[in-house]
Amino acid sequence: NAGVTQTPKFQVLKTGQSMTLQCAQDMNHNSMYWYRQDPGMGLRLIYYSASEGTTDKGEVPNGYNVSRLNKREFSLRLESAAPSQTSVYFCASRVLGGQGSTEAFFGQGTRLTVV
Amino acid sequence: LAKTTQPISMDSYEGQEVNITCSHNNIATNDYITWYQQFPSQGPRFIIQGYKTKVTNEVASLFIPADRKSSTLSLPRVSLSDTAVYYCLVVPGANNLFFGTGTRLTVIP
Repeated sequence: NAGVTQTPKFQVLKTGQSMTLQCAQDMNHNSMYWYRQDPGMGLRLIYYSASEGTTDKGEVPNGYNVSRLNKREFSLRLESAAPSQTSVYFCASRVLGGQGSTEAFFGQGTRLTVV
Repeated sequence: LAKTTQPISMDSYEGQEVNITCSHNNIATNDYITWYQQFPSQGPRFIIQGYKTKVTNEVASLFIPADRKSSTLSLPRVSLSDTAVYYCLVVPGANNLFFGTGTRLTVIP
């Protein structure tokens, strides 16, 4: 039972390069999330997806794009990486809330450095 | 969207009970209160969730007063392994999940 799997775990990019962070969950959850966490700070929501085919902006969406490829997978793309995007990125999933909210499950994170 | 306010940091000695209070004055009727724990270099982990009154599980207790404008996470007899950041979230019926800055708990031997 893998839960939420993120790839890669580590990445170094040069300024201006692009890359896609991958996230997959095997729990049949309908909601998925991308966060970034800067050193010593809390998590900030970048984008989320309530279901396949839908995405919404979170607190800090600028410089990122997302794709909800299917129910299992939610990818985060940096089109032109900047040093300010150096951070740890977490993907999460949960069953859609509503009455009786449910817990979110997190991946192990992707540590991204932009030089 | 209900904003949460919690202390930035707390210290406690091993074996003591720790209470972390979170303020959420604008909580809506359908919102739940949820707490997560995060260790260094790991993603957050769900601890406990409640709507009102008291909830207890094997890890913690959550106390919510009748007006629901605050909540208190109680960790009984903390150990060094409880050193972590604790996040209080107000989770709406809608889909977004916003984390604040959390409370950094340091357990001292």
